[in-house]
Amino acid sequence: DARVTQTPRHKVTEMGQEVTMRCQPILGHNTVFWYRQTMMQGLELLAYFRNRAPLDDSGMPKDRFSAEMPDATLATLKIQPSEPRDSAVYFCASGLVGDGGQPQHFGDGTRLSIL
Amino acid sequence: AQKVTQAQTEISVVEKEDVTLDCVYETRDTTYYLFWYKQPPSGELVFLIRRNSFDEQNEISGRYSWNFQKSTSSFNFTITASQVVDSAVYFCALSEVDTGRRALTFGSGTRLQVQP
Repeated sequence: DARVTQTPRHKVTEMGQEVTMRCQPILGHNTVFWYRQTMMQGLELLAYFRNRAPLDDSGMPKDRFSAEMPDATLATLKIQPSEPRDSAVYFCASGLVGDGGQPQHFGDGTRLSIL
Repeated sequence: AQKVTQAQTEISVVEKEDVTLDCVYETRDTTYYLFWYKQPPSGELVFLIRRNSFDEQNEISGRYSWNFQKSTSSFNFTITASQVVDSAVYFCALSEVDTGRRALTFGSGTRLQVQP
């Protein structure tokens, strides 16, 4: 079965360090999403791309977060500088979103801990 | 604005009991999709079902069934004869078509514990 691949699976780093999370969407999917899961906020959207173009990044703190899709097989989410409040599980999801309402398929997540 | 409410924070049942997880949504769109995802203790998010706003037929898949009622803006999920492996957090989610907001808006999740 095709899967969304996220790396790294776990990341522990100190406050102030740059963090880069990577996502390989399912081949052929035209939409990529980044979500964050915390105990307090639950699952919330950070950003999403369609055909590599950013469509919505309103959920992302602009001063420290950035999301890009350098090519169709790679999406990145960067935090610089990182803060303890960024500790969360970050999920990437991809889908073939047209009018069909295709489900989003999620990667296993990156569990991020900022000390 | 879109919203998904899962009022049940945690449910505990004994194996073989039936259990229903409630989901109520809000949207101004006439065309939208509703989803259920399962998050087992290992942490991944597993897609269970999708339903579009024009299809109110109930669906059954093995021990799982879903009841979609537009009149009450609800999309409830029932597990029949629950098993320990059903223990997980279950999320209901909404995706809007008219506004083009295809990202998922999630409920807060319901943690289901099935005791042996």
